[in-house]
Amino acid sequence: GENVEQHPSTLSVQEGDSAVIKCTYSDSASNYFPWYKQELGKRPQLIIDIRSNVGEKKDQRIAVTLNKTAKHFSLHITETQPEDSAVYFCAASWAAGTASKLTFGTGTRLQVTL
Amino acid sequence: DAGITQSPRYKITETGRQVTLMCHQTWSHSYMFWYRQDLGHGLRLIYYSAAADITDKGEVPDGYVVSRSKTENFPLTLESATRSQTSVYFCASTEGSGAKWDTQYFGPGTRLTVL
Repeated sequence: GENVEQHPSTLSVQEGDSAVIKCTYSDSASNYFPWYKQELGKRPQLIIDIRSNVGEKKDQRIAVTLNKTAKHFSLHITETQPEDSAVYFCAASWAAGTASKLTFGTGTRLQVTL
Repeated sequence: DAGITQSPRYKITETGRQVTLMCHQTWSHSYMFWYRQDLGHGLRLIYYSAAADITDKGEVPDGYVVSRSKTENFPLTLESATRSQTSVYFCASTEGSGAKWDTQYFGPGTRLTVL
C-alpha cells in the first residue's frame, strides 16, 4: 500500500497571504497526486492534480509542485480569500490488481482571516 | 456532482443492527469506492470495485460487506453495527479509462451514528 503524511494539520493565514501545505508519500510507484478541498458538511472536491511526469502545475491562484526524488508534493495557494477556508486533503495513487486507488493524508484545516 | 448520490444522508442505528448504505452513479463509471472519514484519520478506503461482481478490500474492511450486481450501484452493509463504525461514509467513482481515469468523484456522504 501507500502511506501519506500531511502537514500542517491546521493553518491560519491573513487574507491576501499565501498558504502552503506539504505532503510526503512512501510508494515510489505512485504516479498521481490529487488535492481535494472539503468545506464543512460537504463532499471532497478535486481542485488540482499532478502526475509524475510533471514537476509543477498551476490553475489561477493554486499550484502544486512535485518532487519525485524526495517523494513529496505541495499545494500553494496565493492571494488567499475567505472562501479558501476549508479542509484540504492530499492523496497519492497506488495500484493493486485492476484498480488504481488513493491513499489520503489526514487533512489540513485552512482558515483565512480578514 | 449530481451524477453520484448516496442514501440515506443521515442514519441513526443501534449496536448490533444491520445497516445498508446506498450509492448510485449515473456516469457508468467502472470503478467505485467506499471511504469512511473520521477526525484525525482523513479518508480511509473500506472496499472498492473494478466492475460489476468484482470487489476487493481496502484499508479498513472489517465489519463491512459490499456487493455490486449492477455497474451503477455499490451498496455498503454493516452486518452488525458497532459504535466504532460511527462515521461519515463517502462513496466515490472513477471512469477507469482515458487521461482522467484516476480522478475520483465523491458522493455527498452519509452521516452514520451507532448508539
